[in-house]
Amino acid sequence: RKEVEQDPGPFNVPEGATVAFNCTYSNSASQSFFWYRQDCRKEPKLLMSVYSSGNEDGRFTAQLNRASQYISLLIRDSKLSDSATYLCVVNRDDKIIFGKGTRLHILP
Amino acid sequence: NAGVTQTPKFRVLKTGQSMTLLCAQDMNHEYMYWYRQDPGMGLRLIHYSVGEGTTAKGEVPDGYNVSRLKKQNFLLGLESAAPSQTSVYFCASRGEVPPSYNEQFFGPGTRLTVL
Repeated sequence: RKEVEQDPGPFNVPEGATVAFNCTYSNSASQSFFWYRQDCRKEPKLLMSVYSSGNEDGRFTAQLNRASQYISLLIRDSKLSDSATYLCVVNRDDKIIFGKGTRLHILP
Repeated sequence: NAGVTQTPKFRVLKTGQSMTLLCAQDMNHEYMYWYRQDPGMGLRLIHYSVGEGTTAKGEVPDGYNVSRLKKQNFLLGLESAAPSQTSVYFCASRGEVPPSYNEQFFGPGTRLTVL
């Protein structure tokens, strides 16, 4: 079993819709959690950290469920510019483990 | 600040040739990483460093060597390139203390083709 697992998609979503991704992690010792965004042929960039209490940044909401070992990302009122691959990232000690990513296509 | 830079951006090699990829960061970060990214495989860690003069193996280290002689530079070497090493290579760095501890900053990538 991979340490970090994501649905690869693609998710094809009409503009303005709400879309949610989940990511599961297998090691309960994982310490911190993030969502990164990667545009086609570009480097990954931090989208947001994920806290146990849940956190929101504009149209984006991230949640962490330690008991069930998953994190989620919700995008409201999706824009064409949200089309990208979203990477779930888990830190444990010095290790940083990336999921393979979920591809999102926002349709006009 | 330039952030994380990578040299070269593109390279084509023949099987058996050698090359070195250079990663440089100007954020005084302790940690540096080399990843490769292949279609359907996600990012895979090749080697990493937790400080100047240190290196450690990641998930897929075979066929690669690294050096961290200066804090700001992390070099990735291919001694005898193979077609299986055709990939996009990303370098990343992160700091030792919050807030920069939590975020990895990536370079723009090097696209390597081995014929």
